[in-house]
Formats: sequence, C-alpha cells, structure tokens
Amino acid sequence: GAGVSQSPSNKVTEKGKDVELRCDPISGHTALYWYRQSLGQGLEFLIYFQGNSAPDKSGLPSDRFSAERTGGSVSTLTIQRTQQEDSAVYLCASSLDGGRGTEAFFGQGTRLTVV
Amino acid sequence: AQSVTQLGSHVSVSEGALVLLRCNYSSSVPPYLFWYVQYPNQGLQLLLKYTSAATLVKGINGFEAEFKKSETSFHLTKPSAHMSDAAEYFCAVSESGNTPLVFGKGTRLSVIA
Repeated sequence: GAGVSQSPSNKVTEKGKDVELRCDPISGHTALYWYRQSLGQGLEFLIYFQGNSAPDKSGLPSDRFSAERTGGSVSTLTIQRTQQEDSAVYLCASSLDGGRGTEAFFGQGTRLTVV
Repeated sequence: AQSVTQLGSHVSVSEGALVLLRCNYSSSVPPYLFWYVQYPNQGLQLLLKYTSAATLVKGINGFEAEFKKSETSFHLTKPSAHMSDAAEYFCAVSESGNTPLVFGKGTRLSVIA
C-alpha cells in the first residue's frame, strides 16, 4: 500500500477485555515495529519483527501483550485482560530492511482507551 | 545502552523567530540519529537523519541539525518559525542494525503569531 495502515483508529474497551490491533506495513518492507505512545512519555518500544520472526521482544510490558506477523506482512498486537494503564496510542512502523540508517515509516496509530 | 534526552518538553517561539530543539544522546558506538515530527492526530514523519556523512544535515521544511560528537548532541534548528511548524518533535538514535529506534520523550513546539 501507499503507507502504513493501522486499524482500528480508535478503540474503547472495558477493563478485562482482550483487544487486537492491526498493522498493514508498506508492501515489501521486511522490518516492522510496534511502539506505545503515552502522554508525556515519548515512544516506548514494544516489539520488532524481521520477516515473521521477532528477534527483539524486550519491550513487551507484560505477558498480557503478544504480537505476531504472518506472511511477512500484516501484524497483530494483542492485549489480553486489558487494564486502564494500557490506554495509549499504539504506533506501528515499517522499514525496508531494518538496517541502521533505513527510514521507518509510521502509521497514524490506534488510540486505545480502557474504561 | 543507547538513550536520548530531549531538553524541554515544551518550547514556545514567536513566528519568524529561531527554532532550537535540543537533543543529547548516549551511545556506545557511533550513532545514527534522527528527528521525526508528529503533527496533531497524525503519525510520525522523518524530518532528517545523520548517518555518519556530513555533520550538518538538512531536512524538510527548512529544518537542519548538526551532529557534535564532543557534545553528544544533535540539536534541531530552523532560522524562522512558521505557524505550520507547531507539532511534536522527537529525536531518536539507532546504535546498530536490526535494532529499534530509541526515542526521546518529545518536545512540543508552539508558534505564536
């Protein structure tokens, strides 16, 4: 596609429910990243994919968070048993090959609100 | 470990005035450095990047940044602020290939008419 697409753009969920956030990267981009953006906290790295593999899961805040990527393309971030502290904007980015100087292109994010 | 510190969570300038947004980094190897901009309700967009070539890097919309190894800094500047520059600006560092960008906490720029 023309850019990184994320869905839904907004999600309101009740505490304790599971949510799935979707990211459709730019076609041909092998690297995919998930970040979480909270007010005043900048961008917190969650997980990185190279192809379908996740060499770096170090940022996932708890075992309630998981992510997968299939076909080297679409990725899904799943949050189980959501808590109010999970409320944030979840940003997905992709880059051509994940190399050091390669530009990461960001989607517009999914704003998650846990009530 | 790599890290980025952005001094000032909020900077306010008058239209036409100099814009200076500060970024200091910590890295155990020569870093690659980036500035991204986020306009309201939009994703992040790359402004410019330093990848060990010229130390003065020019980006889009009249912005530029200078890499100063001795000061571990990569400050972003623009000679004359425009109302459309109002946004959140993020500095980021990449220490090695196949690792994620590490971002600072961001600086919100306001431009006053």
